[in-house]
Amino acid sequence: GQNIDQPTEMTATEGAIVQINCTYQTSGFNGLFWYQQHAGEAPTFLSYNVLDGLEEKGRFSSFLSRSKGYSYLLLKELQMKDSASYLCAQAWDSSYKLIFGSGTRLLVRP
Amino acid sequence: DADVTQTPRNRITKTGKRIMLECSQTKGHDRMYWYRQDPGLGLRLIYYSFDVKDINKGEISDGYSVSRQAQAKFSLSLESAIPNQTALYFCATSDASGRAGEQYFGPGTRLTVT
Repeated sequence: GQNIDQPTEMTATEGAIVQINCTYQTSGFNGLFWYQQHAGEAPTFLSYNVLDGLEEKGRFSSFLSRSKGYSYLLLKELQMKDSASYLCAQAWDSSYKLIFGSGTRLLVRP
Repeated sequence: DADVTQTPRNRITKTGKRIMLECSQTKGHDRMYWYRQDPGLGLRLIYYSFDVKDINKGEISDGYSVSRQAQAKFSLSLESAIPNQTALYFCATSDASGRAGEQYFGPGTRLTVT
């Protein structure tokens, strides 16, 4: 089956930069998503990569290397409100199913 | 108004009871999904439906059933609830013409089985 790995927890300081890594199995790959989820709330879409390279959207950027089965989410100028879980998810084949990693809980400290 | 709604938002039930969780959407999406989320395990797919006549099992369908009553409604049932079905349940939708896998989530239903 699919296996998506990402760190369980990370801590960073307000104003800093943090990179959250994700590895996935390359078979059946049809896109890589990042979602943000605040505690007790619904996940919300952050970014999508299907081709190699960096996608930038404001303070958030996401990178993909398909040959390595690797992605990262880069958060710049961290704010306290960025404290949340970040979910890496792989779109599987052409079925539009998502396989989620367990999520990385990010704590931003003053 | 929310595009994807779930009822109830919280539910406590006893072992052996039948319970239904409901999901409605106004996004006009064809595809609907049910997930459960447990601490440390992320989101796991229970069932998904690509249109009213299409129902598919996800990775953890045992103990659950679903009904797609209309394009906008997708219900999840626990026929005989057990304590390890205590979890946060999310409904999600996606558009066939959109990015593969970009899904829109409802607010979740917190279910406790005692």
